[in-house]
Amino acid sequence: EIVMTQSPATLSVSPGERATLSCRASQSVSSNLAWYQQKPGQAPRLLIYGVSTRATGIPARFSGSGSGTEFTLTISSLQSEDFAVYYCQQYNNWPRGTFGQGTKVEIK
Amino acid sequence: QVQLQESGPGLVKPSQTLSLTCTVSGGSISSGGYYWSWIRQHPGKGLEWIGYIYYSGSTYYNPSLKSRFTISVDKSKNQFSLKLSSVTAADTAVYYCARAAGSNYGYFDYWGQGTLVTVSS
Repeated sequence: EIVMTQSPATLSVSPGERATLSCRASQSVSSNLAWYQQKPGQAPRLLIYGVSTRATGIPARFSGSGSGTEFTLTISSLQSEDFAVYYCQQYNNWPRGTFGQGTKVEIK
Repeated sequence: QVQLQESGPGLVKPSQTLSLTCTVSGGSISSGGYYWSWIRQHPGKGLEWIGYIYYSGSTYYNPSLKSRFTISVDKSKNQFSLKLSSVTAADTAVYYCARAAGSNYGYFDYWGQGTLVTVSS
């Protein structure tokens, strides 16, 4: 099983600042990497797939990068609605896709 | 706009079988091109995929989970379902249905709102 490790577990950021979230895979997942946002009491929402392609309706302040085993989600200027938990997911060895444990972005 | 909605009991007794249904609207399961899946989230924890089904009935299950899960599809009702036998307290979780998309059906682009299932006597 490919293990996805996200860091940090919690990220404290002030509104308007930049947030950088990391995701590391235990082996290469090529470009088969997605990011999701989850707010309390809600289902996850797809933000990014294929490492860097934004899903429909996702603002441009969200961007993804990386390849192989190291990936990054960047939120360029945090808005109040961006405080949430973010998960990365690899789907390189479908159907055995796996999620990271999540990074909580909280207000500093 | 595709929408998914889970339904089923919120409380199940230990050793019983949990049955959940996901109703899809705004798109037809029978049109193909997507896998339909179940994912669960234990309280305060991360996401765990359970399995996938195609409209043809082809299924894949998470090998890390014991083989207590069964996923089926009812094309006539545009629904797919999850059955989990011999439930225990460890199966208490929010269960989501989702659509798996992409050229390799790898990421989940539409999700249901989730349904909390509690296993308790």
